[in-house]
Amino acid sequence: AQSVTQLDSHVSVSEGTPVLLRCNYSSSYSPSLFWYVQHPNKGLQLLLKYTSAATLVKGINGFEAEFKKSETSFHLTKPSAHMSDAAEYFCVVSNAGGTSYGKLTFGQGTILTVHP
Amino acid sequence: DTAVSQTPKYLVTQMGNDKSIKCEQNLGHDTMYWYKQDSKKFLKIMFSYNNKELIINETVPNRFSPKSPDKAHLNLHINSLELGDSAVYFCASSQGPNQPQHFGDGTRLSIL
Repeated sequence: AQSVTQLDSHVSVSEGTPVLLRCNYSSSYSPSLFWYVQHPNKGLQLLLKYTSAATLVKGINGFEAEFKKSETSFHLTKPSAHMSDAAEYFCVVSNAGGTSYGKLTFGQGTILTVHP
Repeated sequence: DTAVSQTPKYLVTQMGNDKSIKCEQNLGHDTMYWYKQDSKKFLKIMFSYNNKELIINETVPNRFSPKSPDKAHLNLHINSLELGDSAVYFCASSQGPNQPQHFGDGTRLSIL
């Protein structure tokens, strides 16, 4: 079984300040982990992925995430928020094996608001 | 060029009707998916096809029937629409299972 918990349903930051979106996961197999972003009335866009290579993963638009197996966490960070970062962010886990192979399980989403 | 395209973008219909949503991807991917996003923005997978074969079939009412005529297309047909079917339906594709998925912009289905 696999599951994802995004610890904050809403995060609000000022433009130019750091962003931290928290995600914890559980998985029976070696997981692949992803962060997706969804802008209003749009589909989901892949920000970054972790697939058992380097634990610090760099993505698009200055985002990065660190895989910490001991903490079962995959938090998303960005040093300096931009107004265009305002969107909903989803942490996603995918099992590499078992009967749920390839099935993505989504977190509940975190809405990021960026203030001028 | 749109990588994953869904039609229609909006679908408003009455209870009891039958409707279809089409999805096409031009990425050369082998795997395609249908997701349902409810009013609370929670995304849940419904179906997945790999090389036109069904590989994931979640607990979905059998009123929902996916059809994959070829690797580039995965259509979703819904019979006897109910109020609870109102949602945004997303199509996605990937090179294979467990690979990053590319999403369409969604089809907003509203049942009157």
